[in-house]
Amino acid sequence: DAGVIQSPRHEVTEMGQEVTLRCKPISGHDYLFWYRQTMMRGLELLIYFNNNVPIDDSGMPEDRFSAKMPNASFSTLKIQPSEPRDSAVYFCASSLRTLNNEQFFGPGTRLTVL
Amino acid sequence: SQQGEEDPQALSIQEGENATMNCSYKTSINNLQWYRQNSGRGLVHLILIRSNEREKHSGRLRVTLDTSKKSSSLLITASRAADTASYFCATVLMNRDDKIIFGKGTRLHILP
Repeated sequence: DAGVIQSPRHEVTEMGQEVTLRCKPISGHDYLFWYRQTMMRGLELLIYFNNNVPIDDSGMPEDRFSAKMPNASFSTLKIQPSEPRDSAVYFCASSLRTLNNEQFFGPGTRLTVL
Repeated sequence: SQQGEEDPQALSIQEGENATMNCSYKTSINNLQWYRQNSGRGLVHLILIRSNEREKHSGRLRVTLDTSKKSSSLLITASRAADTASYFCATVLMNRDDKIIFGKGTRLHILP
């Protein structure tokens, strides 16, 4: 398996623009997580899905953030409109509950909002 | 304090020495996991210890768990330059075993 795949790896955009981050989890995994990492706040859980259904979105900072998982092999995290304070590395991770929730992380998307 | 907190926040040691990092948590857990993150990369799972286990080994890694003190430690023996990374503890809660809560991590730097 190729592991968790994220795209793009780097994104530079201007304030106010829409940003869409993409994730393909490991095949067969039933959980998908979106995290944001910054020096100031560390690793923050934004939202997670179980069998494509959002379970906990309490970490989503504002209504400008939305996430979808239309099928078991694809998820998106959208920021609209983007702001400079959204600059961070966004990670997607997937896990299989029967494996005690060991999480497999993607390489991350480094987002810079100018 | 949050559920999982690592201590120290940063650690520098000479190559060949042992490195010890600690993690404290607040709520009863199902299991505790340690992850490593190299600069610019995603986190990588290192080892998992269940709440009914006290010690676990994997290569040069040794993890202990003291549920009475709600704490865990990660020992890396005979450190190498490649061990330079951030290390995170993550807890799976007893009654919420569907997600992991990560600490803020310990930055380990191995000096040549």
